[in-house]
Amino acid sequence: NAGVTQTPKFQVLKTGQSMTLQCAQDMNHNSMYWYRQDPGMGLRLIYYSASEGTTDKGEVPNGYNVSRLNKREFSLRLESAAPSQTSVYFCASSWELTDTQYFGPGTRLTVL
Amino acid sequence: KNEVEQSPQNLTAQEGEFITINCSYSVGISALHWLQQHPGGGIVSLFMLSSGKKKHGRLIATINIQEKHSSLHITASHPRDSAVYICAAFSNTGNQFYFGTGTSLTVIP
Repeated sequence: NAGVTQTPKFQVLKTGQSMTLQCAQDMNHNSMYWYRQDPGMGLRLIYYSASEGTTDKGEVPNGYNVSRLNKREFSLRLESAAPSQTSVYFCASSWELTDTQYFGPGTRLTVL
Repeated sequence: KNEVEQSPQNLTAQEGEFITINCSYSVGISALHWLQQHPGGGIVSLFMLSSGKKKHGRLIATINIQEKHSSLHITASHPRDSAVYICAAFSNTGNQFYFGTGTSLTVIP
């Protein structure tokens, strides 16, 4: 089992460009999450999906959109990237919202 | 204001020492998580607690719901325990996760 996979691992964008971060899990988990991690700020929840077909905002949703494509996949889209979105992005999944989360390896995004 | 506060921010210990990392939170929670982030960046979940105490090998996590406080203990610390340890509280109000900024632990041989 691959667990939680994320693509790409690294990405450099120019201000105003768009991109989609992909996340997939093979553990049949119901819940999936997107986080960003900035130095000195800790992890912050961007969006989550409690179950297939639902998505909800987390602490810092502005500038992002998400799609729960199916039970396995949860994508994060930046429509118009800004330098403030330079960060490391982690996807995670769990059986239910309060359960142990399994994290992907992260995507390091730089917006110039 | 941070909903989750960890202490200390940085900790250096000699191999074999007993280590305690503390986490205090200000929100009502239904679960508290302890995570470990290795220098390469990967994040692993160590514990999920809603009450009492859990133990995995040399790691012990406790939570006191009334005092809104949790501790992570490492017995007989080893250099491979060197990592950042993160506390995360799941608030049942609005289904939000709040993370501490982490405790950076270095264990010296």
